Amino acid sequence: EVQLLESGGGLVQPGGSLRLSCAASGFTFSSYAMTWARQAPGKGLEWVSCISGSDETTYYAASVKGRFTISRDNSKNTLSLQLNSLRADDTAIYYCARSRNSNCYTSNDYWGQGTLVTVSS
Amino acid sequence: DIVMTQSPDSLAVSLGERATINCKSSQSVLYSSNNKNHLAWYQQKPGQPLKLLFYWASTRESGVPNRFSGSGSGTDFTLTISSLQAEDVAVYYCQQHYSVPYTFGQGTKVEIK
Repeated sequence: EVQLLESGGGLVQPGGSLRLSCAASGFTFSSYAMTWARQAPGKGLEWVSCISGSDETTYYAASVKGRFTISRDNSKNTLSLQLNSLRADDTAIYYCARSRNSNCYTSNDYWGQGTLVTVSS
Repeated sequence: DIVMTQSPDSLAVSLGERATINCKSSQSVLYSSNNKNHLAWYQQKPGQPLKLLFYWASTRESGVPNRFSGSGSGTDFTLTISSLQAEDVAVYYCQQHYSVPYTFGQGTKVEIK
């Protein structure tokens, strides 16, 4: 059974940093691209970043490029998102999701429950 | 960026009746090299992970009831629930995965009338 479990969320001050993790199980992690998306309270979904499963090519939304860094550790079946220079509008539930294959340009067939990041002083 | 616009924002349908959600992209998401529409539909229920319903616009994900159907090509897409059930109450999103950033529609909330 595919499982994705996010962790690392919490309350952080503006300008601060946080590292999110997503523990994956039930599939060959290295064979799949992985995505982060987010959802501000009461709002819709926003795609944030993706890392391919083959050559680990990364992609970012303009709103986070230069501040967030996606990475993966295939030996630990873990996806990470380093969040720096956080702003109030980064407040959201952050979800990790598996792509349907090793490329990012495909849909996401499994999603985690999410971890809440709150940026506030 | 490709803008995805869903309509309506919400709809209330009687049990057993048809529900139709539209999704329009600001540019075509039909990829010429594979002749596939890079368009997915998702269902979001409170407290549950997001669920993939359709990929390539009309390919039903395993386990999705056949009362759900996806159609369309290019810039105009439709998600149809042929006979609404109580468990279909949710917010539905379309998403393009044609070009980065892979944008979502704003969501359509489906309720029981």
